[in-house]
Amino acid sequence: SQQGEEDPQALSIQEGENATMNCSYKTSINNLQWYRQNSGRGLVHLILIRSNEREKHSGRLRVTLDTSKKSSSLLITASRAADTASYFCATIGSSNTGKLIFGQGTTLQVKP
Amino acid sequence: GAGVSQSPSNKVTEKGKDVELRCDPISGHTALYWYRQSLGQGLEFLIYFQGNSAPDKSGLPSDRFSAERTGGSVSTLTIQRTQQEDSAVYLCASSLVGLAGNEQYFGPGTRLTVT
Repeated sequence: SQQGEEDPQALSIQEGENATMNCSYKTSINNLQWYRQNSGRGLVHLILIRSNEREKHSGRLRVTLDTSKKSSSLLITASRAADTASYFCATIGSSNTGKLIFGQGTTLQVKP
Repeated sequence: GAGVSQSPSNKVTEKGKDVELRCDPISGHTALYWYRQSLGQGLEFLIYFQGNSAPDKSGLPSDRFSAERTGGSVSTLTIQRTQQEDSAVYLCASSLVGLAGNEQYFGPGTRLTVT
């Protein structure tokens, strides 16, 4: 079963603009991760934020986490056409297995 | 180095037939995961291996699904008596160890179509 919702389901922006995607989850977590998927195939890990962290940066990516609201956001700054992909948040709970519970995903289109 | 590989990349099968999907994890990765991605259900966890044992099989949707891992390396996901609702992309991932903080590396997936 899915962990939660992602919002928006689809986003279309111009190159150079910022893209913000939101993710909500239902249960307590150990950490939250964001993945990117091109063309409906393999996923690529982007960034991980632990439950005791509030914000994390990696290059043009900024992730925030609000455990009181059970939500996270991914900001991509200065977007490029190559950022066009689907983006998924995934949570890991308290179990020690590392299994990921994914959100529904946001499809981002960046127009050149 | 080589990433996670999966075979076949595409598989078309008739309803009722059995299929085997293969995953070769990154060398040295002890944890291996199978996930399924379908239009209706999104990305779902199926099963987790640590070494050759499967401590978490909670995501397998029915007893038609089984998986094994041998030599702490290659894993095979078997679907018996396939149904149309089994059509999906089956993704395999591996990580160094099966702990919460470890990054998972995904293979390109096997697209299964049941006709």
